[in-house]
Order: sequence, then C-alpha cells, then structure tokens
Amino acid sequence: GDSVTQMEGPVTLSEEAFLTINCTYTATGYPSLFWYVQYPGEGLQLLLKATKADDKGSNKGFEATYRKETTSFHLEKGSVQVSDSAVYFCALSDSGTGGFKTIFGAGTRLFVKA
Amino acid sequence: NAGVTQTPKFRVLKTGQSMTLLCAQDMNHEYMYWYRQDPGMGLRLIHYSVGEGTTAKGEVPDGYNVSRLKKQNFLLGLESAAPSQTSVYFCASSYPGGHNQPQHFGDGTRLSIL
Repeated sequence: GDSVTQMEGPVTLSEEAFLTINCTYTATGYPSLFWYVQYPGEGLQLLLKATKADDKGSNKGFEATYRKETTSFHLEKGSVQVSDSAVYFCALSDSGTGGFKTIFGAGTRLFVKA
Repeated sequence: NAGVTQTPKFRVLKTGQSMTLLCAQDMNHEYMYWYRQDPGMGLRLIHYSVGEGTTAKGEVPDGYNVSRLKKQNFLLGLESAAPSQTSVYFCASSYPGGHNQPQHFGDGTRLSIL
C-alpha cells in the first residue's frame, strides 16, 4: 500500500543554518504531496504542496520539489530561524479506485538554537 | 474567523464509557476528516465525509462511528472506549477537489482512556 517515510528526528540546527528534511513515498497512483507544520499545542498547518511531478511548492522560504523518478519530496530552507522550531509532516493524498486516502509520515521535530 | 473548532479540548474517560467529539467548521468546506495522532506514527485517518449525509471509512475506523447531519459539523463517537483509543484526535476540512486540496486542521482533542 501507499506509504510516506520521513527522516527521524529530532533535527537540531543553529540559526541561519541550511535545513533539509528528507521525505520519500510509495504510491500506486498519482498522489498530491504536502508538507504540514505543527507548533506545540496546535493543529497542523499547510506549509506547501505540489500536485504533479516536477512541481515545486514554496512558502515562507521553504521549498520542496515533487520528484517522481526518486519518489521524493524533500523539504529545504536556506536559513532557519528560531521560530521555525516545530514538527514537520510530509503527506500524500490520492483518490483512485480504492477511494480517498491521505497518508502522513511520522513527523520530524526541528529545534533551532539562537 | 474561527476556522475548524473542536470540542472538548481534553477529556478523561473510563474504559467502556461512551462519548462524542464535535468538530465545527465555518469555511463552507464540503469535505471533513477525523484523524488520530499517536507518538511516532504521524496522523492516521479514521473516517471522512465528502458531503452532508455521507461518511466513509479511513485507515483505522474500528471502534469509531461518525455522523455528518449538517455540512458544518462532523461528529466522532466512541461507543465503548478502550485504552487503545487514548490519543490526540484532530478534525480537518477541505474544499472539494479530492486529493489536490490541502486540509485545514483544528487544534485537537486530547483523550485519555483509563
């Protein structure tokens, strides 16, 4: 079945460091891919999305490219801030013959030190 | 603009008790979802609804029932609570368009079953 695998955390970085959080997926159809962010005590918020191969999603300095050939959707940011500390979830959604499905990765916790 | 509102925010139940979690959205979204979030497992879809009066099973539906009598509300019921249902429950909603649409999440309900 479909699945999403994220790099295990926590990831600890200093402010202004480069961030990469790896995400790979397996899917039988043509899913849309998402990154969500969760701050303590809150629900998930959409960070960015891509709906087809080679699409690049971007928001607030974060970017991710839908790579069908490597089944990946890695999240990157050139210079992280303390306020980026949160849990990041990679997710796929598909609505093929098996019905609607949305699969989340286990989440990657990011700590950014001042 | 409230977005997605979940009630209650916290609840402690004894094994065998029943309860209903309420989700309300004011964005006129057609689709609504219930997830559970457990440590190290990301979010898993319990049930979802693509419109008023319709519901469908997700990945982990056993032990739960749902109802969507009004477009803006989606109720999740536990008929006989079990300790394995201790979790954080999130409701979400989205526009139609299936898997291309991002989901908007509530802040969650933390449920403990003793």
